[in-house]
Amino acid sequence: SQQGEEDPQALSIQEGENATMNCSYKTSINNLQWYRQNSGRGLVHLILIRSNEREKHSGRLRVTLDTSKKSSSLLITASRAADTASYFCATDLNQAGTALIFGKGTTLSVSS
Amino acid sequence: GAGVSQTPSNKVTEKGKYVELRCDPISGHTALYWYRQSLGQGPEFLIYFQGTGAADDSGLPNDRFFAVRPEGSVSTLKIQRTERGDSAVYLCASSLFGGSEQYFGPGTRLTVT
Repeated sequence: SQQGEEDPQALSIQEGENATMNCSYKTSINNLQWYRQNSGRGLVHLILIRSNEREKHSGRLRVTLDTSKKSSSLLITASRAADTASYFCATDLNQAGTALIFGKGTTLSVSS
Repeated sequence: GAGVSQTPSNKVTEKGKYVELRCDPISGHTALYWYRQSLGQGPEFLIYFQGTGAADDSGLPNDRFFAVRPEGSVSTLKIQRTERGDSAVYLCASSLFGGSEQYFGPGTRLTVT
């Protein structure tokens, strides 16, 4: 079973626009992570936000976490064609954080 | 090493055959993980190693799947009597220690015909 659910499943935008993806999960977590995957291979870690954090920034990425709503959002500002990829949120499957459970992902297409 | 590497990148095998998939983690990373990703889905956890021991194998789907990490570095995922439903991309990840940020390899695409 999958803990995280990303929304929307697919998103198409123009270069320069912002892209927002959401993730909802079911049980309490230690942290939540966002990954990017190109062409169905090679996940790249983007950002980790801990359960006691509410917002985190990394370059053009902004992640928020609302533990009361069990949800997170990933905002990519000023998108580029190179941002085209699938984006996944991942949460801890166990307390030790040694296994991640991923959602089905959001497929982002950025056209120039 | 520069990153997690996996071999082969692609493997085609016939139903019923045995396959081995290899993972070379980042040097110095004590934790190693295997995931499986089917088309259109997110990765699914299979097994986690801390050092040489399998600390959590709760994700292995059945006893046809087995993994080893004899020297605490390279790991091999072994699948016996392969079935068409085993077709997927098998991803390996490593982290400095259990629970820290995981770095993923490019995966092995397994196709069972």
